[in-house]
Amino acid sequence: AQSVTQLGSHVSVSEGALVLLRCNYSSSVPPYLFWYVQYPNQGLQLLLKYTSAATLVKGINGFEAEFKKSETSFHLTKPSAHMSDAAEYFCAVSENSGGYQKVTFGTGTKLQVIP
Amino acid sequence: KAGVTQTPRYLIKTRGQQVTLSCSPISGHRSVSWYQQTPGQGLQFLFEYFSETQRNKGNFPGRFSGRQFSNSRSEMNVSTLELGDSALYLCASSQGEGWNTQYFGPGTRLTVL
Repeated sequence: AQSVTQLGSHVSVSEGALVLLRCNYSSSVPPYLFWYVQYPNQGLQLLLKYTSAATLVKGINGFEAEFKKSETSFHLTKPSAHMSDAAEYFCAVSENSGGYQKVTFGTGTKLQVIP
Repeated sequence: KAGVTQTPRYLIKTRGQQVTLSCSPISGHRSVSWYQQTPGQGLQFLFEYFSETQRNKGNFPGRFSGRQFSNSRSEMNVSTLELGDSALYLCASSQGEGWNTQYFGPGTRLTVL
């Protein structure tokens, strides 16, 4: 069974500092991996996805993530945090199960950006 | 293309009542999934419908049910509401076949008093 672990339910960074949100997954087959962002009282918005092409994936708003098979990780990074990045971030893994894909979400990481 | 829409956006009910939530997927998408999001439990998968058939189901009691119509619109019903059903209910649509991305609606905030 697939699973996703997000280390750190809350992360605080200073404005302009590096953002690093961690995600580790387990999957019995090559997975597809996603990062979503959720702003207060809104749905989830896709940031980026890994679909077995390039291991370094660039997304919206300056975010990127690197797929590392040996570490079963898909950490999300952004070189310089902006106040508008404050939100909750979810990592998700998708694998084929019985002919259709099954998506499992992590528990989320709330990012606080300190001015 | 229009995104995923959910109605209503906010709902207040009392214990014991029932509620129906609606989700209209992105045009051309045949799969609709429902999730419950609460501060304590996070995002929990309820069920997925594809071409009017429930294809996948999470671990929720039978009070939670859903259906999908021929135009791919989906409804979710919760009967005999409990206080613990207060949550943000999110709907996500995808093409449904092969590898594809889920796109989420804004959610329906249900408050049970």
